[in-house]
Amino acid sequence: AQSVTQLGSHVSVSEGALVLLRCNYSSSVPPYLFWYVQYPNQGLQLLLKYTSAATLVKGINGFEAEFKKSETSFHLTKPSAHMSDAAEYFCAVTQTGGSYIPTFGRGTSLIVHP
Amino acid sequence: DTGVSQDPRHKITKRGQNVTFRCDPISEHNRLYWYRQTLGQGPEFLTYFQNEAQLEKSRLLSDRFSAERPKGSFSTLEIQRTEQGDSAMYLCASSLVGQRVTDTQYFGPGTRLTVL
Repeated sequence: AQSVTQLGSHVSVSEGALVLLRCNYSSSVPPYLFWYVQYPNQGLQLLLKYTSAATLVKGINGFEAEFKKSETSFHLTKPSAHMSDAAEYFCAVTQTGGSYIPTFGRGTSLIVHP
Repeated sequence: DTGVSQDPRHKITKRGQNVTFRCDPISEHNRLYWYRQTLGQGPEFLTYFQNEAQLEKSRLLSDRFSAERPKGSFSTLEIQRTEQGDSAMYLCASSLVGQRVTDTQYFGPGTRLTVL
């Protein structure tokens, strides 16, 4: 069984401030973890993924995430928010060696104030 | 490099009507997934194909839903006798799964269904 919890349905930051979006997962086997971004009326775009290599994963648009097994977390960060980062962000988990069907969190809406 | 495409992008229908959506995956991808996303929620898995074989269906996929991928390329999702609760965004994704390839799913833009 696998599940994802995203803490905070909305996160509000000022332009230039640190972005931190939280994701905790549950998986009975070593997981693959993903962060996706979704802009209004569009599909999901992959930001980054963890696949059991380096625990600090760098993605597109300056985002990165760190896999912490002891905390079962995979939080997404960006040092400096830009207005264009305003979107919905989804964390997802799949189980290695299985059917790769991901379970998504409920999403966190990132709001960026000028 | 063309991505995943879906058609139509928007569909408005009356309750009780049948609707069909199409998904064209990235050409070399062997897996194709269908998801449903309602407002304020993450995508929920419906079904997936590996080549032309439908390997798994979610319990969310009622008898009114059927999906096909006849030649292992494009796929269709049909909803019969639509209900207002079927109103959602229907997302398609594709991936390449093999011995040394990590599954990364690439999503289409979705089809937004509104049932009146």
